[in-house]
Amino acid sequence: SQQGEEDPQALSIQEGENATMNCSYKTSINNLQWYRQNSGRGLVHLILIRSNEREKHSGRLRVTLDTSKKSSSLLITASRAADTASYFCATVLGSSNTGKLIFGQGTTLQVKP
Amino acid sequence: GAVVSQHPSRVICKSGTSVKIECRSLDFQATTMFWYRQFPKQSLMLMATSNEGSKATYEQGVEKDKFLINHASLTLSTLTVTSAHPEDSSFYICSAESGAKVEQFFGPGTRLTVL
Repeated sequence: SQQGEEDPQALSIQEGENATMNCSYKTSINNLQWYRQNSGRGLVHLILIRSNEREKHSGRLRVTLDTSKKSSSLLITASRAADTASYFCATVLGSSNTGKLIFGQGTTLQVKP
Repeated sequence: GAVVSQHPSRVICKSGTSVKIECRSLDFQATTMFWYRQFPKQSLMLMATSNEGSKATYEQGVEKDKFLINHASLTLSTLTVTSAHPEDSSFYICSAESGAKVEQFFGPGTRLTVL
């Protein structure tokens, strides 16, 4: 079953604006990862944040993790039309020793030029 | 970065036939490979976990006799959809991880259409 719930399901912004996507999960995790998927393509790994980390940056991406609220957010700053894609959070369960990923429902981001 | 390929990228078949999808790790040895299914506008659902040289572990609700998985080497896993039906039409994605990394590397996916 899906562990992650993401909101919003769809987001439409203008180029240059920031985009924030949220992800909530239900059980304890080992780490949380964010992926990007262009339409009809495979997934691209964006960033991983471990359960003992609270914030992580990578270029224009900023990810936060609040384990007390079981939630994470992905912020894309100064968005570009090329950022248009679906974004998924995925968790590795704390009890897992296999690295098995449980994906959220995803947020579809459209960045208008 | 590590590269995972899938073949074919797209397949159309008649109902009742079997289809084999290959997943290869091109520049690393994958101790574990995962198979996912994704319906249109939905998220990825894990189907099974495949370890080299051993039987795959299937998620609840996934028929192991319907979706045959073979992980014969450290660089190749295959998913065979047996006696495919239109409801099996979906986007199938594999991923691979090496023992040393937490990160999974995803293949580009295979679009299966069953007529």
